[in-house]
Amino acid sequence: RKEVEQDPGPFNVPEGATVAFNCTYSNSASQSFFWYRQDCRKEPKLLMSVYSSGNEDGRFTAQLNRASQYISLLIRDSKLSDSATYLCVVKSGVGGATNKLIFGTGTLLAVQP
Amino acid sequence: ETGVTQTPRHLVMGMTNKKSLKCEQHLGHNAMYWYKQSAKKPLELMFVYSLEERVENNSVPSRFSPECPNSSHLFLHLHTLQPEDSALYLCASSQKRGLAGATYNEQFFGPGTRLTVL
Repeated sequence: RKEVEQDPGPFNVPEGATVAFNCTYSNSASQSFFWYRQDCRKEPKLLMSVYSSGNEDGRFTAQLNRASQYISLLIRDSKLSDSATYLCVVKSGVGGATNKLIFGTGTLLAVQP
Repeated sequence: ETGVTQTPRHLVMGMTNKKSLKCEQHLGHNAMYWYKQSAKKPLELMFVYSLEERVENNSVPSRFSPECPNSSHLFLHLHTLQPEDSALYLCASSQKRGLAGATYNEQFFGPGTRLTVL
């Protein structure tokens, strides 16, 4: 089983649509969770961290379900500029001397005009 | 310059060549990372340097040799690579807080070096 699993997509949605991505992780001891965004032929950039209580940043909402080891990202009112690959990222271990991030393969979103 | 820079952006090399990838961060961070990104695969962590000391080597073949001369620079020396090593090599940096039980903040990535091994 992969450490972090995502549906690779692509998700093709019209502008203004609401789209949700899911991600599951295998290590129940994982403590920190993130969504990164990677545009075509560019580097990944942090989109948002995912907190236990869920968190929202504008049109983006992230949720964590520790019991099911499941993370989600909801994008409301999709814009053309949201087209990118969304990477689910889990930080392994607790404290320690390293910050080992485990990346999913990413979910490709294509927002259509 | 700001952020994390990488040179070269593109590199084509033969299996017998020796080349080096360079990464420089202008963020005052004290931890640096090398990742490999292949098509259809997740980013794979290769090496982690914290305060210029290698703290993680993720079972990477010896044909990849990292070097961290100071907290702002990171190199990846390449020799006798294989075609399957063709990938995007990404450098990242972050700020380590604390000593024992240290935590690290967000990682900032460079634009990557697109490597093709013939």
